[in-house]
Amino acid sequence: GESVGLHLPTLSVQEGDNSIINCAYSNSASDYFIWYKQESGKGPQFIIDIRSNMDKRQGQRVTVLLNKTVKHLSLQIAATQPGDSAVYFCAEKGGTYKYIFGTGTRLKVLA
Amino acid sequence: EAQVTQNPRYLITVTGKKLTVTCSQNMNHEYMSWYRQDPGLGLRQIYYSMNVEVTDKGDVPEGYKVSRKEKRNFPLILESPSPNQTSLYFCASSLSPFGNQPQHFGDGTRLSIL
Repeated sequence: GESVGLHLPTLSVQEGDNSIINCAYSNSASDYFIWYKQESGKGPQFIIDIRSNMDKRQGQRVTVLLNKTVKHLSLQIAATQPGDSAVYFCAEKGGTYKYIFGTGTRLKVLA
Repeated sequence: EAQVTQNPRYLITVTGKKLTVTCSQNMNHEYMSWYRQDPGLGLRQIYYSMNVEVTDKGDVPEGYKVSRKEKRNFPLILESPSPNQTSLYFCASSLSPFGNQPQHFGDGTRLSIL
């Protein structure tokens, strides 16, 4: 919802441009990573995931890059559209039953 | 349609009045979890369940209870709600607690405790 986004960093991009959203994860033992999209008034929606034995994975208009050396994850959205406006956050999981979630980045697409 | 359903979506209540938020999934998932989401913080896990009759505490379990009597349902119980439990709550499920699969989330329950 809107109140969740009050303290989030914001990325503003022009419609049609590519967006890159970054995430620093916390646990070097994490072996599975997920990107979620959260629209106002809705629950987090799965976008794409990646396992630690990969450094890149592509979906439809989205690419996730994983750099285990610096514990960094990024989500690239090609040809950003107004419907991409939302809060995006990463999650990590490693060796346990728990998922650790980042705080998120708000993406604003400018017409 | 595969989904996680939470009820109610919104609730305003008063301190001390017991409430239950229901969660149901139709995907035959073993793993279910409750989170709260507060401004400036990531999703924080309250409780999780690895299967029927198997539950455990997450990071912020104080003031909450859960039960898992059936695979599809995982209610969250606030026995004596307090204002600091005002938050946005999400239920989530995934196929197994052991594999690497994304969690599927409900659309959230906004609780206001006065």
